[in-house]
Amino acid sequence: EAGVAQSPRYKIIEKRQSVAFWCNPISGHATLYWYQQILGQGPKLLIQFQNNGVVDDSQLPKDRFSAERLKGVDSTLKIQPAKLEDSAVYLCASSTRTGFNTEAFFGQGTRLTVV
Amino acid sequence: TQLLEQSPQFLSIQEGENLTVYCNSSSVFSSLQWYRQEPGEGPVLLVTVVTGGEVKKLKRLTFQFGDARKDSSLHITAAQPGDTGLYLCAGPTSGTYKYIFGTGTRLKVLA
Repeated sequence: EAGVAQSPRYKIIEKRQSVAFWCNPISGHATLYWYQQILGQGPKLLIQFQNNGVVDDSQLPKDRFSAERLKGVDSTLKIQPAKLEDSAVYLCASSTRTGFNTEAFFGQGTRLTVV
Repeated sequence: TQLLEQSPQFLSIQEGENLTVYCNSSSVFSSLQWYRQEPGEGPVLLVTVVTGGEVKKLKRLTFQFGDARKDSSLHITAAQPGDTGLYLCAGPTSGTYKYIFGTGTRLKVLA
């Protein structure tokens, strides 16, 4: 079974530029998550999709971050414009469902450096 | 807001020692998962605990879910350098089912 695929693995941009990350979840997984992980900390949930609907986006900085999940499969996360504090690893994960006994499977992440 | 606090934040021990990592919340979780993350990789699931008071063993790792389902612990017996990594607890919040992570415990096992 193929895992969660993310691209790119690394990205360096200047502040105020825009950037986009792509995620392809495990086939058949209804729930998709985007997390931001600052070095050494636990991942922070940015947005959680159930199929192509949003379950939670309360911690997504909506003035600069946007995410979509077209047709309930692939997803993209965009930052525009980027700030220095956006430097982090962006993790995508998927699970079969939302809720009780959820087990999330993660991609390798995209390491973003904003200079 | 439901939070998962982990302690200690950092732990550096010698090979062969035992250790315990804690995950605490003021809220009830229907289940909790433990993950280990190595540098440059995404978190990898170790175990899921579901029932209050449940104990699960995975080789040298023992996981326990608190009776009230508000806390969990991970005990490692005879730690090895291969156990080095960031240990994370996580779980779905009640109501909205947001899947949140704890603050993490960074473990380093010295040979």
